[in-house]
Amino acid sequence: QQQVKQSPQSLIVQKGGISIINCAYENTAFDYFPWYQQFPGKGPALLIAIRPDVSEKKEGRFTISFNKSAKQFSLHIMDSQPGDSATYFCAASKGDGGSQGNLIFGKGTKLSVKP
Amino acid sequence: DADVTQTPRNRITKTGKRIMLECSQTKGHDRMYWYRQDPGLGLRLIYYSFDVKDINKGEISDGYSVSRQAQAKFSLSLESAIPNQTALYFCATSDPGQPQHFGDGTRLSIL
Repeated sequence: QQQVKQSPQSLIVQKGGISIINCAYENTAFDYFPWYQQFPGKGPALLIAIRPDVSEKKEGRFTISFNKSAKQFSLHIMDSQPGDSATYFCAASKGDGGSQGNLIFGKGTKLSVKP
Repeated sequence: DADVTQTPRNRITKTGKRIMLECSQTKGHDRMYWYRQDPGLGLRLIYYSFDVKDINKGEISDGYSVSRQAQAKFSLSLESAIPNQTALYFCATSDPGQPQHFGDGTRLSIL
């Protein structure tokens, strides 16, 4: 049973456009929702994360929108650049006191930003 | 130097061979994890360890074993490798309540 569903599988965006990647989760006990960015030949690196007590978090050009009632969260990349071309993974975990337990990952979205 | 170092970076071996993948970290984190990445499937947790005396199975532990030799070292073994264990393997570390930090992976091919 896939607990975190991510879409789309791949995404092509023009430079300067907005990239949007969506994730849906099933387990209401999840309380930590990170996004990871992975470049070829490298491990995933934390990009931005959110907890369910807020509906939006912004860091530079990257924004997470969180909808607790719909059990959905999304990553928005504003003014997308060719250097943003990478694979993006959403994830979720549950734990007591906000501790990271086991991360459950989505299947990933390969983003290509065309010049 | 990388904070989370995986060795080897690439390995090609044959079915039935025993393989050990190693992970070491300089971050001083208590928690260490092993993940497997397959195209289109994301990352799946194999084993995790919250301290030196703690070992836990993840989602896909069958066919794998681990050893936490020290706080800084966590190794993954395939006792008898099979072709469907061909994948990218990642080690990660974290402190409680903090983000996980990943190594750059080991690409394993089993012929």
